[in-house]
Amino acid sequence: DQQVKQNSPSLSVQEGRISILNCDYTNSMFDYFLWYKKYPAEGPTFLISISSIKDKNEDGRFTVFLNKSAKHLSLHIVPSQPGDSAVYFCAASGKNYGGSQGNLIFGKGTKLSVKP
Amino acid sequence: NAGVMQNPRHLVRRRGQEARLRCSPMKGHSHVYWYRQLPEEGLKFMVYLQKENIIDESGMPKERFSAEFPKEGPSILRIQQVVRGDSAAYFCASSPQENTEAFFGQGTRLTVV
Repeated sequence: DQQVKQNSPSLSVQEGRISILNCDYTNSMFDYFLWYKKYPAEGPTFLISISSIKDKNEDGRFTVFLNKSAKHLSLHIVPSQPGDSAVYFCAASGKNYGGSQGNLIFGKGTKLSVKP
Repeated sequence: NAGVMQNPRHLVRRRGQEARLRCSPMKGHSHVYWYRQLPEEGLKFMVYLQKENIIDESGMPKERFSAEFPKEGPSILRIQQVVRGDSAAYFCASSPQENTEAFFGQGTRLTVV
């Protein structure tokens, strides 16, 4: 039973346009959400996070939106660049969901391709 | 400041052998996490350790797998009597505190032949 779902395995976007990656979760006890970026044969790289007390967090070209009532978050990248091409993982954790807060629950990832 | 260091990067073991995967966290980080990634899957949590203590091992298989993070030296993930299904990428991450973002190493790719 997947608690964190990324329903789009892949996404293709033109350079300069907006990339929107989506993530849904089922456990309402999650209170901290993260996005990681991963290149082949490398470890995931932290991108941006958001606490459940916020609904938006912005860092440069990256913005994460959280809709708690819908149990949905999204990562917006604008403008998209070819170097953004990678697999993006959504992850969640929480103090009281059943695991430790050090236990991140990952989605299966979305492969983003940004075409020049 | 070096990142999270994992070694070896690639490890090949025959069925029945033991695999030892090492992880040196970032300087100043006392929280270490191990994850496993199977092909076409996301990362699955295995174990969370803080110096000399196992905090959460809910993702560890009950048999053949063990982890430690001694007072001195790297964290070790040990897999005894490996089977083909253990073939995966194993990632270690570290953080300075529990509720901050974790930084990942480059992973160890274990192949069991």
